[in-house]
Amino acid sequence: DAKTTQPNSMESNEEEPVHLPCNHSTISGTDYIHWYRQLPSQGPEYVIHGLTSNVNNRMASLAIAEDRKSSTLILHRATLRDAAVYYCILRRGAYNNNDMRFGAGTRLTVKP
Amino acid sequence: DSGVTQTPKHLITATGQRVTLRCSPRSGDLSVYWYQQSLDQGLQFLIQYYNGEERAKGNILERFSAQQFPDLHSELNLSSLELGDSALYFCASSVGLAGGGTDTQYFGPGTRLTVL
Repeated sequence: DAKTTQPNSMESNEEEPVHLPCNHSTISGTDYIHWYRQLPSQGPEYVIHGLTSNVNNRMASLAIAEDRKSSTLILHRATLRDAAVYYCILRRGAYNNNDMRFGAGTRLTVKP
Repeated sequence: DSGVTQTPKHLITATGQRVTLRCSPRSGDLSVYWYQQSLDQGLQFLIQYYNGEERAKGNILERFSAQQFPDLHSELNLSSLELGDSALYFCASSVGLAGGGTDTQYFGPGTRLTVL
């Protein structure tokens, strides 16, 4: 499986945008970029995913580099509730390949 | 609330014992996944079942086994427990048909296992 590299930790101020980077230089053409987050004392939760084009949903935006070797998760206005560990995961878009391999993720701290 | 339920929430047991963790997937989901999260190893994928059959295996020890029943709930059995098995165990479910590219996994709240 292709690997991802994320900063160990980041800090943000409340109500400011947050850009969480992820490098995945060995990504293959069929790999989707997924983001999950894990709030304290909870199970991971899905945030967003994309293949080639930028994606937006109610939680966040995903910006994917043109060469797909990096991506950025954007939280438009961080709240205290967004403090979590954010995982960037590559998942091959193939039938019969559903498991996810988590890395260490980025621990986001949001300051009031 | 993800719709995935796990019982029990906490489990304390002794070394050498055997325990069973239970997971009920979201309504309509056919795939169930088990993950282990410990402080030193992070989140590790253990095993996946799809509609009753084993689909994928990760870093699951031979002392651990799982199964998925006809009603789609799943159980993770941990035997000959060691201190190092103390961890959070998460179950996740998904529709399981679309493949890894677009198949979203929904995680339960986890079972915290403490082995003394």
